[in-house]
Amino acid sequence: AAGVIQSPRHLIKEKRETATLKCYPIPRHDTVYWYQQGPGQDPQFLISFYEKMQSDKGSIPDRFSAQQFSDYHSELNMSSLELGDSALYFCASTQGWGRANEQFFGPGTRLTVL
Amino acid sequence: AQTVTQSQPEMSVQEAETVTLSCTYDTSESDYYLFWYKQPPSRQMILVIRQEAYKQQNATENRFSVNFQKAAKSFSLKISDSQLGDAAMYFCAYRSAVRYQGGSEKLVFGKGMKLTVNP
Repeated sequence: AAGVIQSPRHLIKEKRETATLKCYPIPRHDTVYWYQQGPGQDPQFLISFYEKMQSDKGSIPDRFSAQQFSDYHSELNMSSLELGDSALYFCASTQGWGRANEQFFGPGTRLTVL
Repeated sequence: AQTVTQSQPEMSVQEAETVTLSCTYDTSESDYYLFWYKQPPSRQMILVIRQEAYKQQNATENRFSVNFQKAAKSFSLKISDSQLGDAAMYFCAYRSAVRYQGGSEKLVFGKGMKLTVNP
């Protein structure tokens, strides 16, 4: 079965640079969630989209922005990167909103900021 | 806001034995979902088991079962016949049942617990 695809899998950036993380949900999934997991930490919710509209927002820095496109893939744009942004970034997808559907996680993008 | 607490940062178990991972949560909502996720060294998040709060019956998935105590806001995971492949970080997570009461569909995770399985 198709899974959530995230690209790139690994990314190394310098401080103050920008980064773009991409997420391709499972086919027919219209809802995407982004989570950030720092070293030794639990995943923290950043932002979510349902049918291309932002559905919820968590502790996402103003330096970050995200959107969901017409084909339901999503991109997380991160600017003015800081050392503390080094983390594993997960994308998860599900079908619909307001249902008891499982969030399927992608393999994550490991971002390292030097 | 909802919170999830896993008070044991690490546990170990002998292969083939049983281990119980504890989790408590705090919420004012009446309907919600609880999950246990496994994160092996590959860092992939894998759903182990799910419990819907309105269901009194405890969920079971093969060797994995939960003890859901809604009044006590407790949600423990029991792993029977532990296998080497069970070694991982285990996260307890909470999610609102948005359809019935609004709110967020985000997952709120506990701090996780590292399970070691000894041969």
